[in-house]
Amino acid sequence: NAGVTQTPKFQVLKTGQSMTLQCAQDMNHNSMYWYRQDPGMGLRLIYYSASEGTTDKGEVPNGYNVSRLNKREFSLRLESAAPSQTSVYFCASGWGSTLRDTQYFGPGTRLTVL
Amino acid sequence: EDKVVQSPLSLVVHEGDTVTLNCSYEVTNFRSLLWYKQEKKAPTFLFMLTSSGIEKKSGRLSSILDKKELFSILNITATQTGDSAIYLCAVGHAGGTSYGKLTFGQGTILTVHP
Repeated sequence: NAGVTQTPKFQVLKTGQSMTLQCAQDMNHNSMYWYRQDPGMGLRLIYYSASEGTTDKGEVPNGYNVSRLNKREFSLRLESAAPSQTSVYFCASGWGSTLRDTQYFGPGTRLTVL
Repeated sequence: EDKVVQSPLSLVVHEGDTVTLNCSYEVTNFRSLLWYKQEKKAPTFLFMLTSSGIEKKSGRLSSILDKKELFSILNITATQTGDSAIYLCAVGHAGGTSYGKLTFGQGTILTVHP
C-alpha cells in the first residue's frame, strides 16, 4: 500500500499562474482533506470532502478550489496564484466516522509563488 | 471560534531529559484529541484520546486527556535525538457536518541535543 500520495513534491509559480495539486489514497477512506502549513501556524484546513461527490470549505478556502474525482482522488486547484499562497500543502485521508478520527497524511507539496 | 493552543512553542533539551508538552482546547462538539509527530515530511499519528484520565502509552511516550479542564499532555521520557520533531495536537469534532474534521494547534518544536 502506498497510503496517501501527492504530486508534485515541489513547485515554483509566478503570481497569476494556475496549477493543480493531485492527491490519491489507496486505503479506501471515505474522507479526504487539504491543509496548508505555515511556520508557527500548525496545519490549517483548506477544503475537505466527507465522501465521494461532496466537498466543503475549511478554515482558509479563499483562492482555492477542489474536486473529488472519485473515492481515491482529491485535487486542489489554485486558479491565480498569489505570494500569500506560498506554503507546504498536505493532503490527508481518513474514515471521518465516529471514533475513527485518525487522518493519514501525504508527503506534502512545497509551493513557492514569486 | 474553535481554538487549540500548544505550549511551549519550542523546547530544547539534552538526551535523557523528560519533557512534557501541553495542549489546551476550546472547541464545539469535542470528540477526540490526537497527537502527531512531524519530522521532515508528513505528520505521523501517535495517539488518539477520547476518555479522561486514561493514559495511552507507547514506549517512552505517553499521553493523557482531561476533559474537565480541557487539556492534554504528551510526555516523553529519556529523550533521544530521534525525538527531535514538531509535535502537533489536534481536536476531532463530533456531529453535524464535521465529518472527522481536525483542528490543529500551532505545534511544539522539540530539539534534543546529544
